[in-house]
Amino acid sequence: AQSVSQHNHHVILSEAASLELGCNYSYGGTVNLFWYVQYPGQHLQLLLKYFSGDPLVKGIKGFEAEFIKSKFSFNLRKPSVQWSDTAEYFCAVNANQAGTALIFGKGTTLSVSS
Amino acid sequence: DVKVTQSSRYLVKRTGEKVFLECVQDMDHENMFWYRQDPGLGLRLIYFSYDVKMKEKGDIPEGYSVSREKKERFSLILESASTNQTSMYLCASSKTTGQGSYEQYFGPGTRLTVT
Repeated sequence: AQSVSQHNHHVILSEAASLELGCNYSYGGTVNLFWYVQYPGQHLQLLLKYFSGDPLVKGIKGFEAEFIKSKFSFNLRKPSVQWSDTAEYFCAVNANQAGTALIFGKGTTLSVSS
Repeated sequence: DVKVTQSSRYLVKRTGEKVFLECVQDMDHENMFWYRQDPGLGLRLIYFSYDVKMKEKGDIPEGYSVSREKKERFSLILESASTNQTSMYLCASSKTTGQGSYEQYFGPGTRLTVT
């Protein structure tokens, strides 16, 4: 069965620190990979996505993620976090087939102190 | 602009009540999904639909049913609400073909409390 594992439940950082959130997935076929973010009291929003091509993808607000196929990983990075990055982050995967549902990880809460 | 709306942001119901959660999308998407979000568990798929009147069970369908009579509307029904269905419910939609397929767009969520 497909699954997504996020390594960290809660990450606490100071402003300007670098961020890396781990995500590994389990699936035998071709996948699409996503990172979503949920700011306090707001909608789930798409941060970035990988469908094919360059394994290093850039998203909104300075976030990027690298797809490493051999490691089944899709880690999220940001060189310098801001207080406004405080949010919950979800990694998700679906099969590269139209209409398939997303499988989500359990989420990582990021708290950034100013 | 892409838009998924849900009928209520907050809902409080009593145990045993029948509950309807409505979701409407204005993007002419073929696929619609219902997830529930619980702390520490992430989002889990309840049901999805890839066409009008079509539905598929997700990972946790027990205690829920769905209805999709029109393409733009997908309803989640709790036949007899129970306290363990207290949760945040998120609706999403996606299209089947063309650029941007596979990407899901989410509504704001309905926080349901069953007392």
